[in-house]
Amino acid sequence: ELKVEQNPLFLSMQEGKNYTIYCNYSTTSDRLYWYRQDPGKSLESLFVLLSNGAVKQEGRLMASLDTKARLSTLHITAAVHDLSATYFCAVEIGAGGTSYGKLTFGQGTILTVHP
Amino acid sequence: GAGVSQSPSNKVTEKGKDVELRCDPISGHTALYWYRQSLGQGLEFLIYFQGNSAPDKSGLPSDRFSAERTGGSVSTLTIQRTQQEDSAVYLCASSLVQGGANNEQFFGPGTRLTVL
Repeated sequence: ELKVEQNPLFLSMQEGKNYTIYCNYSTTSDRLYWYRQDPGKSLESLFVLLSNGAVKQEGRLMASLDTKARLSTLHITAAVHDLSATYFCAVEIGAGGTSYGKLTFGQGTILTVHP
Repeated sequence: GAGVSQSPSNKVTEKGKDVELRCDPISGHTALYWYRQSLGQGLEFLIYFQGNSAPDKSGLPSDRFSAERTGGSVSTLTIQRTQQEDSAVYLCASSLVQGGANNEQFFGPGTRLTVL
């Protein structure tokens, strides 16, 4: 059974600081997604990582994937208050090399950015 | 274009009643997924559809849960004889093609179900 673990689960940061959220998973996969969720809202897609070594950047966020280590990171650079949200990683697994789309989510990281 | 829509946005029901939740995917998306989000269990996969068929129902928590999709578009998730532990936010997502090169899933706003 695939397990996806994020850490930290809670992250309190000051504006302007850098930090990294980690996402570890237990089964071979080369498809990983990052989502953002604001309180009371649905999930917003942030990054799609589809191969080993994939790196994507959008604004102050950068995501990477290391399939050999079964690890993805979400790096936050010079945090601002608007980044406060819950961040989820999700791993897509497949059978026989064909992904069937089921996402297994991490527990989520609640990020709070303070002035 | 329009995103994934779900209705109702909120549903309060009494224990033992049946409820139907509706999802309208993004036009042209052939794959549709249901997830559940609750405080205790996090985000859980329930079922997915490719077209009108549901190859994987393994995530449905019990036989009180069922889902169907007609015309390759709208899907309904039905919960019979609701229990308090069914209280959660039910999220629907769709993607262009199941198993495709990029299976990015786009989520709807969710239905918050409260069972009294």
